[in-house]
Amino acid sequence: DVKVTQSSRYLVKRTGEKVFLECVQDMDHENMFWYRQDPGLGLRLIYFSYDVKMKEKGDIPEGYSVSREKKERFSLILESASTNQTSMYLCASSLRGQGYEQYFGPGTRLTVT
Amino acid sequence: AQSVAQPEDQVNVAEGNPLTVKCTYSVSGNPYLFWYVQYPNRGLQFLLKYITGDNLVKGSYGFEAEFNKSQTSFHLKKPSALVSDSALYFCAAYNFNKFYFGSGTKLNVKP
Repeated sequence: DVKVTQSSRYLVKRTGEKVFLECVQDMDHENMFWYRQDPGLGLRLIYFSYDVKMKEKGDIPEGYSVSREKKERFSLILESASTNQTSMYLCASSLRGQGYEQYFGPGTRLTVT
Repeated sequence: AQSVAQPEDQVNVAEGNPLTVKCTYSVSGNPYLFWYVQYPNRGLQFLLKYITGDNLVKGSYGFEAEFNKSQTSFHLKKPSALVSDSALYFCAAYNFNKFYFGSGTKLNVKP
């Protein structure tokens, strides 16, 4: 079974702090994704990566950056956290190519105060 | 703009009755279509997908989905609902290296 793990289930940070969210997958998937989930808005793509050191902006990249130094690990960075970044963050991975489903981690609920 | 719509925020059904969760898409080309389920405080789990072929797709936990190209719809169905099916359901479309998710439908199955 594919396993996608995220470093924290719950996180509370202060405004202006730098925040790191880590995601690790164990199935050698090429693609990795970061989403945020907000009620009524569904999932919105922040960034995705289709290979090591490669990244593409999603729909809402502002205020975020990412790092993929190893195939199994994809990090989301909030350079200076703000209260409007309070949300559920979901990481996912998939094989490269058409039609492959994504596998999701359990999510990190981030609160910025 | 490309999008996936789930017109119902919430669907209520009695246990044992059939259920339908609706999804329509506006994505160019011939997108691949997916359904995911999310239980409280969990990530999304894959249920089923349509790529090509038979319009009725069977998936996990007794769920199935019906693809209708002319109506650009991909409705999720189950013949007999269980209380344990209560969760948040997401429809998604994939095309040109991008996933588009609907806003989610909360399914409540009452005993």
